[in-house]
Amino acid sequence: NAGVTQTPKFQVLKTGQSMTLQCAQDMNHNSMYWYRQDPGMGLRLIYYSASEGTTDKGEVPNGYNVSRLNKREFSLRLESAAPSQTSVYFCASRGRGPSYNEQFFGPGTRLTVL
Amino acid sequence: AQSVTQLDSQVPVFEEAPVELRCNYSSSVSVYLFWYVQYPNQGLQLLLKYLSGSTLVKGINGFEAEFNKSQTSFHLRKPSVHISDTAEYFCAVSGSLFNKFYFGSGTKLNVKP
Repeated sequence: NAGVTQTPKFQVLKTGQSMTLQCAQDMNHNSMYWYRQDPGMGLRLIYYSASEGTTDKGEVPNGYNVSRLNKREFSLRLESAAPSQTSVYFCASRGRGPSYNEQFFGPGTRLTVL
Repeated sequence: AQSVTQLDSQVPVFEEAPVELRCNYSSSVSVYLFWYVQYPNQGLQLLLKYLSGSTLVKGINGFEAEFNKSQTSFHLRKPSVHISDTAEYFCAVSGSLFNKFYFGSGTKLNVKP
Protein backbone atom coordinates (compact mmCIF):
# COMPACT_ATOMS: atom_id res chain seq x y z
CA ASN A 1 0.00 0.00 0.00
CA ALA A 2 1.98 3.00 -1.32
CA GLY A 3 -0.61 5.65 -0.34
CA VAL A 4 -0.33 8.78 -2.49
CA THR A 5 2.54 8.89 -4.96
CA GLN A 6 3.72 11.84 -7.05
CA THR A 7 6.08 12.10 -9.98
CA PRO A 8 8.47 13.68 -10.59
CA LYS A 9 10.02 14.68 -7.26
CA PHE A 10 11.94 17.59 -8.77
CA GLN A 11 11.61 19.50 -12.04
CA VAL A 12 13.21 22.57 -13.56
CA LEU A 13 11.44 24.27 -16.46
CA LYS A 14 12.10 27.28 -18.60
CA THR A 15 9.43 29.96 -18.94
CA GLY A 16 6.87 28.91 -21.50
CA GLN A 17 7.52 25.18 -21.29
CA SER A 18 4.73 22.78 -20.41
CA MET A 19 4.63 19.78 -18.14
CA THR A 20 2.30 17.43 -16.32
CA LEU A 21 2.57 16.49 -12.68
CA GLN A 22 1.32 13.00 -11.97
CA CYS A 23 -0.48 11.79 -8.85
CA ALA A 24 -1.87 8.38 -8.01
CA GLN A 25 -3.46 6.83 -4.93
CA ASP A 26 -4.09 3.18 -4.17
CA MET A 27 -6.52 3.63 -1.27
CA ASN A 28 -9.72 3.62 -3.36
CA HIS A 29 -10.48 7.20 -2.36
CA ASN A 30 -13.05 9.23 -4.28
CA SER A 31 -11.79 12.78 -3.70
CA MET A 32 -8.40 14.09 -4.77
CA TYR A 33 -6.74 17.51 -4.51
CA TRP A 34 -3.86 19.57 -5.85
CA TYR A 35 -2.22 22.22 -3.65
CA ARG A 36 0.71 24.50 -4.00
CA GLN A 37 2.89 25.46 -1.03
CA ASP A 38 4.74 28.75 -0.96
CA PRO A 39 6.79 30.15 1.93
CA GLY A 40 4.63 32.04 4.41
CA MET A 41 1.43 31.21 2.54
CA GLY A 42 0.67 27.70 3.65
CA LEU A 43 -1.13 25.42 1.23
CA ARG A 44 -3.49 26.82 -1.35
CA LEU A 45 -5.95 24.68 -3.23
CA ILE A 46 -5.51 24.70 -7.01
CA TYR A 47 -8.13 22.16 -8.12
CA TYR A 48 -9.99 19.28 -6.60
CA SER A 49 -11.96 16.32 -7.83
CA ALA A 50 -14.82 15.06 -5.72
CA SER A 51 -15.15 11.89 -7.77
CA GLU A 52 -14.03 10.29 -11.01
CA GLY A 53 -15.13 12.45 -13.91
CA THR A 54 -15.57 15.69 -11.96
CA THR A 55 -13.18 18.56 -11.26
CA ASP A 56 -13.63 21.97 -9.64
CA LYS A 57 -11.53 25.08 -9.20
CA GLY A 58 -9.94 25.95 -5.91
CA GLU A 59 -8.43 29.22 -4.73
CA VAL A 60 -5.64 29.59 -7.32
CA PRO A 61 -6.60 27.74 -10.57
CA ASN A 62 -5.22 30.24 -13.10
CA GLY A 63 -2.45 28.79 -15.26
CA TYR A 64 -3.33 25.17 -14.47
CA ASN A 65 -5.47 22.40 -15.86
CA VAL A 66 -6.33 19.04 -14.34
CA SER A 67 -7.47 15.64 -15.49
CA ARG A 68 -9.08 12.97 -13.36
CA LEU A 69 -8.01 10.10 -15.56
CA ASN A 70 -9.65 7.41 -13.44
CA LYS A 71 -10.34 6.84 -9.78
CA ARG A 72 -6.65 6.38 -8.99
CA GLU A 73 -5.02 9.19 -10.96
CA PHE A 74 -5.30 12.98 -10.90
CA SER A 75 -2.85 14.97 -13.00
CA LEU A 76 -1.97 18.66 -12.97
CA ARG A 77 -0.81 20.38 -16.18
CA LEU A 78 1.04 23.62 -16.64
CA GLU A 79 0.51 24.64 -20.27
CA SER A 80 2.96 27.57 -20.31
CA ALA A 81 5.03 27.73 -17.16
CA ALA A 82 5.79 31.07 -15.51
CA PRO A 83 8.29 31.93 -12.74
CA SER A 84 5.31 32.64 -10.44
CA GLN A 85 4.51 28.93 -10.61
CA THR A 86 7.76 28.05 -8.87
CA SER A 87 6.49 26.17 -5.84
CA VAL A 88 6.14 22.83 -4.12
CA TYR A 89 3.08 20.96 -5.35
CA PHE A 90 1.22 18.46 -3.19
CA CYS A 91 -1.41 15.99 -4.20
CA ALA A 92 -3.81 14.62 -1.60
CA SER A 93 -6.73 12.26 -1.43
CA ARG A 94 -9.57 12.20 1.09
CA GLY A 95 -10.32 9.09 3.04
CA ARG A 96 -13.36 6.87 3.27
CA GLY A 97 -15.28 5.45 6.19
CA PRO A 98 -13.84 6.64 9.53
CA SER A 99 -11.27 8.72 7.62
CA TYR A 100 -13.75 10.46 5.31
CA ASN A 101 -12.75 13.89 6.63
CA GLU A 102 -9.01 13.26 6.60
CA GLN A 103 -6.60 14.12 3.79
CA PHE A 104 -3.64 11.92 2.88
CA PHE A 105 -0.75 13.73 1.21
CA GLY A 106 1.89 12.70 -1.27
CA PRO A 107 5.57 13.62 -0.81
CA GLY A 108 5.40 16.63 -3.13
CA THR A 109 6.96 17.84 -6.38
CA ARG A 110 9.43 20.71 -6.17
CA LEU A 111 9.10 22.79 -9.35
CA THR A 112 11.39 25.62 -10.39
CA VAL A 113 10.54 27.80 -13.39
CA LEU A 114 13.43 29.86 -14.72
CA ALA B 1 -16.02 32.03 3.33
CA GLN B 2 -13.62 30.28 5.64
CA SER B 3 -10.10 31.28 6.59
CA VAL B 4 -7.41 30.37 9.08
CA THR B 5 -4.84 32.58 10.77
CA GLN B 6 -1.73 31.25 12.42
CA LEU B 7 -0.32 34.12 14.39
CA ASP B 8 3.24 32.86 14.81
CA SER B 9 5.39 32.03 11.81
CA GLN B 10 8.17 30.61 14.00
CA VAL B 11 8.26 29.34 17.57
CA PRO B 12 11.62 28.50 19.16
CA VAL B 13 11.49 26.40 22.32
CA PHE B 14 13.87 24.35 24.41
CA GLU B 15 13.54 20.61 24.69
CA GLU B 16 11.16 19.44 27.45
CA ALA B 17 9.48 22.85 27.65
CA PRO B 18 5.74 23.24 26.95
CA VAL B 19 4.57 24.81 23.71
CA GLU B 20 1.38 26.34 22.31
CA LEU B 21 0.86 27.03 18.62
CA ARG B 22 -1.99 29.41 17.96
CA CYS B 23 -4.72 29.11 15.37
CA ASN B 24 -7.77 31.29 14.81
CA TYR B 25 -10.43 30.70 12.21
CA SER B 26 -13.28 32.62 10.67
CA SER B 27 -16.41 31.07 9.31
CA SER B 28 -20.10 31.82 9.15
CA VAL B 29 -21.06 28.16 9.32
CA SER B 30 -20.16 25.08 11.33
CA VAL B 31 -16.53 24.23 10.97
CA TYR B 32 -14.33 21.23 11.37
CA LEU B 33 -10.75 21.87 12.42
CA PHE B 34 -7.50 20.05 11.85
CA TRP B 35 -3.82 20.23 12.69
CA TYR B 36 -1.29 18.75 10.29
CA VAL B 37 2.47 18.35 10.71
CA GLN B 38 5.08 18.52 7.96
CA TYR B 39 8.56 17.18 8.62
CA PRO B 40 11.36 18.47 6.35
CA ASN B 41 11.00 17.43 2.72
CA GLN B 42 7.87 15.40 3.40
CA GLY B 43 4.15 15.70 2.83
CA LEU B 44 1.66 16.62 5.54
CA GLN B 45 0.24 14.13 8.01
CA LEU B 46 -2.73 14.50 10.32
CA LEU B 47 -2.02 15.24 14.01
CA LEU B 48 -5.56 15.61 15.25
CA LYS B 49 -9.02 16.82 14.30
CA TYR B 50 -12.10 18.35 15.89
CA LEU B 51 -15.45 17.35 14.43
CA SER B 52 -17.85 17.54 17.37
CA GLY B 53 -18.20 16.55 21.00
CA SER B 54 -15.51 17.22 23.57
CA THR B 55 -13.68 20.46 22.88
CA LEU B 56 -10.37 18.97 24.01
CA VAL B 57 -8.95 16.75 21.32
CA LYS B 58 -5.96 14.48 21.72
CA GLY B 59 -3.77 13.51 18.81
CA ILE B 60 -0.63 11.61 18.00
CA ASN B 61 2.80 12.22 19.53
CA GLY B 62 1.35 13.72 22.75
CA PHE B 63 -0.25 16.75 21.10
CA GLU B 64 -3.67 18.08 22.04
CA ALA B 65 -5.82 20.99 20.94
CA GLU B 66 -8.80 22.82 22.38
CA PHE B 67 -11.69 24.11 20.31
CA ASN B 68 -13.00 27.43 21.63
CA LYS B 69 -16.05 28.55 19.73
CA SER B 70 -16.44 31.92 21.48
CA GLN B 71 -12.85 32.86 20.67
CA THR B 72 -12.86 31.07 17.29
CA SER B 73 -9.62 29.40 18.21
CA PHE B 74 -8.10 25.94 17.97
CA HIS B 75 -4.70 26.16 19.65
CA LEU B 76 -2.29 23.23 19.63
CA ARG B 77 -0.38 22.30 22.79
CA LYS B 78 2.20 19.87 24.02
CA PRO B 79 3.35 19.79 27.67
CA SER B 80 6.92 18.70 26.91
CA VAL B 81 8.48 18.85 23.45
CA HIS B 82 11.23 16.71 21.97
CA ILE B 83 13.86 17.47 19.35
CA SER B 84 11.90 15.20 17.02
CA ASP B 85 8.92 17.60 17.16
CA THR B 86 10.87 20.11 15.05
CA ALA B 87 8.63 20.56 12.03
CA GLU B 88 6.11 22.91 10.45
CA TYR B 89 2.56 22.77 11.77
CA PHE B 90 -0.52 23.74 9.80
CA CYS B 91 -4.01 24.47 11.05
CA ALA B 92 -6.84 23.80 8.59
CA VAL B 93 -10.60 24.25 8.44
CA SER B 94 -13.30 22.58 6.40
CA GLY B 95 -17.04 22.76 6.09
CA SER B 96 -19.48 19.91 6.47
CA LEU B 97 -18.97 18.57 2.95
CA PHE B 98 -15.20 18.27 3.43
CA ASN B 99 -14.75 19.05 -0.26
CA LYS B 100 -12.47 22.00 0.43
CA PHE B 101 -9.87 22.55 3.10
CA TYR B 102 -8.37 25.94 3.93
CA PHE B 103 -4.92 26.00 5.48
CA GLY B 104 -3.14 28.56 7.60
CA SER B 105 0.27 29.89 6.68
CA GLY B 106 2.04 27.47 9.02
CA THR B 107 4.14 27.71 12.19
CA LYS B 108 7.69 26.40 12.25
CA LEU B 109 8.47 24.82 15.59
CA ASN B 110 12.19 24.73 16.33
CA VAL B 111 13.05 22.63 19.37
CA LYS B 112 16.51 23.37 20.74
CA PRO B 113 18.57 21.06 22.96
